Amino acid sequence: DGGITQSPKYLFRKEGQNVTLSCEQNLNHDAMYWYRQDPGQGLRLIYYSQIVNDFQKGDIAEGYSVSREKKESFPLTVTSAQKNPTAFYLCASSRQGNGYTFGSGTRLTVV
Amino acid sequence: QKEVEQNSGPLSVPEGAIASLNCTYSDRGSQSFFWYRQYSGKSPELIMFIYSNGDKEDGRFTAQLNKASQYVSLLIRDSQPSDSATYLCAVSGSNAGNNRKLIWGLGTSLAVNP
Repeated sequence: DGGITQSPKYLFRKEGQNVTLSCEQNLNHDAMYWYRQDPGQGLRLIYYSQIVNDFQKGDIAEGYSVSREKKESFPLTVTSAQKNPTAFYLCASSRQGNGYTFGSGTRLTVV
Repeated sequence: QKEVEQNSGPLSVPEGAIASLNCTYSDRGSQSFFWYRQYSGKSPELIMFIYSNGDKEDGRFTAQLNKASQYVSLLIRDSQPSDSATYLCAVSGSNAGNNRKLIWGLGTSLAVNP
């Protein structure tokens, strides 16, 4: 079955550490997105990519980085510059004009 | 700044009643409209989409779109406790090169009481 897979489900980061969240899709979707969701809050766009080897900053890109070397993969790195990284991270993909399909999310906690 | 607005709720309805969720948007050029359901601690899942003015029905769910008034609504008939969740409204942007990017409301929390 086609879908979008995020890993790990839970991730713990120490102060000053970079961590990478994985997102893989086999839906043949061109566009992929990373969102952050804080408790009781809406979705905030971090980065998005509409084609391979191209991506754009969203509303809260500071302290994050991405790459899009393959159509199927869009990993997100949370760098040490991100001062408040504890949140629920959601990856999504879409085809032109259609809604998004979301992964199951990664819950990141700073320890 | 393009916006999508929803009442945060909580909206509380008795089991078996009709739940009505509303959403307004600011971009007159928006073409696609989506409703997502998000259970606590889970990711959003698409439950309805609508592109044309009028109503679209799927089982107990009906999406209604009025482009002239710039609102979209979701009706849930025969509400069940399992419908208790946050409902997110999402609207496509109208810019030609950017119309894949959705603009999200903050969501309405629905509680269906047994």
